[in-house]
Amino acid sequence: EVQLVESGGGLVQPGGSLRLSCVASGFSFDVYAIHWVRQAPGKGLEWVSGLSWNSDIIGFADSVKGRFTISRDNTRNSLYLQMTDLRPEDTALYYCVKSAVAGSGYNDAFDVWGQGTMVSVAS
Amino acid sequence: SYVLTQPPSVSVAPGKTATITCGGNNIGSKTVHWSQQKPGQAPVLVISHDSDRPTGIPDRFSGSNSGNPATLTITRVEAGDEADYYCQVWDSSSRQMLFGGGTRLTVL
Repeated sequence: EVQLVESGGGLVQPGGSLRLSCVASGFSFDVYAIHWVRQAPGKGLEWVSGLSWNSDIIGFADSVKGRFTISRDNTRNSLYLQMTDLRPEDTALYYCVKSAVAGSGYNDAFDVWGQGTMVSVAS
Repeated sequence: SYVLTQPPSVSVAPGKTATITCGGNNIGSKTVHWSQQKPGQAPVLVISHDSDRPTGIPDRFSGSNSGNPATLTITRVEAGDEADYYCQVWDSSSRQMLFGGGTRLTVL
């Protein structure tokens, strides 16, 4: 079964940091771009960041640029999101999502979603 | 920056056809994907590359992007289709993935 499992969410104070992890199984992780998408409570979907299969294409939403970094370890089938200088508006459920097309599919559809990990930023 | 516009809500009677629109500047030149999100669940891809149906998605779901707006059409609507629907495109100018604001489909 193709699966993405996120972890690392929690409650953090404004200005704090958090590292999210996503572990993949059931497919060849090392040939697919993987992204983070978030959803604030009661709101819509917002793309956060993405990383190509070989880490040569990296992207961030304007809202997180300069504060978040993304990385992957293909030997561990894992994707990470390092979040710093967190703000209340970063409060959301963070999903790990897989691109539908292998190799060059960095900007393609998202065909597999994890269940998400919740990040709450509050004092 | 590029903006995708969806109606906040669409209502339809069971058995009828629902059409959800996704507008954007020259959207016909972009590739549109659609996802369905039921309450408390993660989104599910229902249409990719304007009009392709992933395996397991009923043929009642179809997509078109021949002009502005792009559309998601659901025929013979069922109660189980009640959900939020999001369109998605890649904006090559900003090099960012964008989602529409979402449309809540209500089955009357």
